[in-house]
Formats: sequence, C-alpha cells, structure tokens
Amino acid sequence: DAGITQSPRHKVTETGTPVTLRCHQTENHRYMYWYRQDPGHGLRLIHYSYGVKDTDKGEVSDGYSVSRSKTEDFLLTLESATSSQTSVYFCAISETRQGGRGYRDTQYFGPGTRLTVL
Amino acid sequence: QKEVEQNSGPLSVPEGAIASLNCTYSDRGSQSFFWYRQYSGKSPELIMSIYSNGDKEDGRFTAQLNKASQYVSLLIRDSQPSDSATYLCAGRSSASKIIFGSGTRLSIRP
Repeated sequence: DAGITQSPRHKVTETGTPVTLRCHQTENHRYMYWYRQDPGHGLRLIHYSYGVKDTDKGEVSDGYSVSRSKTEDFLLTLESATSSQTSVYFCAISETRQGGRGYRDTQYFGPGTRLTVL
Repeated sequence: QKEVEQNSGPLSVPEGAIASLNCTYSDRGSQSFFWYRQYSGKSPELIMSIYSNGDKEDGRFTAQLNKASQYVSLLIRDSQPSDSATYLCAGRSSASKIIFGSGTRLSIRP
C-alpha cells in the first residue's frame, strides 16, 4: 500500500462548511498530489507539492487550498464546501530516482476519501 | 484540449487476445509516463512507468513510448477476465505535475 493513509475515509457535510482532508505518508517521498475523481472526468489534479511549504496549482484548484508543513503530511482544505465538490478525493505520492539501476519514476495512491456535500 | 488524451472506450477484447490501449499527450517537455489499472471503487494501481522511446515489457504488459509522435500505448497479452478494469494513462510534465487522461474502460469477454 506504499505507506499512504487518508483521513477521513468518508465524510458527509453541508454546503458552506469548511472541510479538511489529510494525507499522511511514511515513505519520505518528495512529491505529493491531491486529485479528485468524478464519472466521465477521470482523475483531475487539484494541487501538488514538491517539498515542505512548496505547493502549486493543478487543473481544478479553484475552491481548494493546501498546506504541507511536514514532509509526511499534505492537507487539502475546502474553505466553504459546495455541492460541486462532492467527489472521491485521492492523495498520491511520487518519487524520482537516478541510480545504478537507471532512472526510476513512481507514483502510488492512497485509499481515497469519499466526500458528499449536501 | 486536455494535456493527456485517451479513448474512453469501452474496449471489448476476447479472452486470450491482445488488448491495445492508447494515449496521446501535448506537453513535449513531459519526461515520464505511467499506466494504471483501476477497479471500480478502488484506488489506481501502478502497472508500469516508461521514460525512454521504445518498448518496456513486464510480464504480460508492454508499454510503448514514441516521443516524436507524443504517443504512449499499453499492450496486454493473453487477456484475462481479471484484466477488465479502467486503464489510466498519465504523464509527468516539465513542471513535475502528473496529469491523467480520462481513462479507457476495458472489458475482457470469455
């Protein structure tokens, strides 16, 4: 499972409330990502991080903010949840390595969080 | 235009045949490409990644990359019913973000 956990795994909330999703890794990987997955859209990148306090926007960042104060934790916040943010949210970690066995690039996903905004 | 494009399918292949999945990308600075398998209600699982032009084989799976044509493909030999899933293609852009296509649904018919 590549040492990635997400919390909570399920959440139901009401429109206008703030929501924070947590992603935790034990692998000490540099890159962390938040995606949302909706029918017909595949996985869409919300925000990503390339180090502590280093984050950048993805494809669908409006309405979301992130923070990474420690290597192991990447938080996704919906400041004021809307029904259009009802989705399954996946966190992923990634690492690139150049070593004796050549270049290697991997990405692994957490179990996902199902968020429903009523 | 999405940075990574896939035919959404569904693609139906008889058991034992070769399934061919295709993907194109627009960012010429992309360095790495990934193929994932995702079963309904589950997380995507990494099948393989490819970085250099040519073929890369891992068991029944072969990934092919053609950077000049900006094209990535995945071949699945001896397709099994358990291969029925959604297959996701992704590319790591020059800015290090990893962008996905919308996925191709593959169905292996007995």
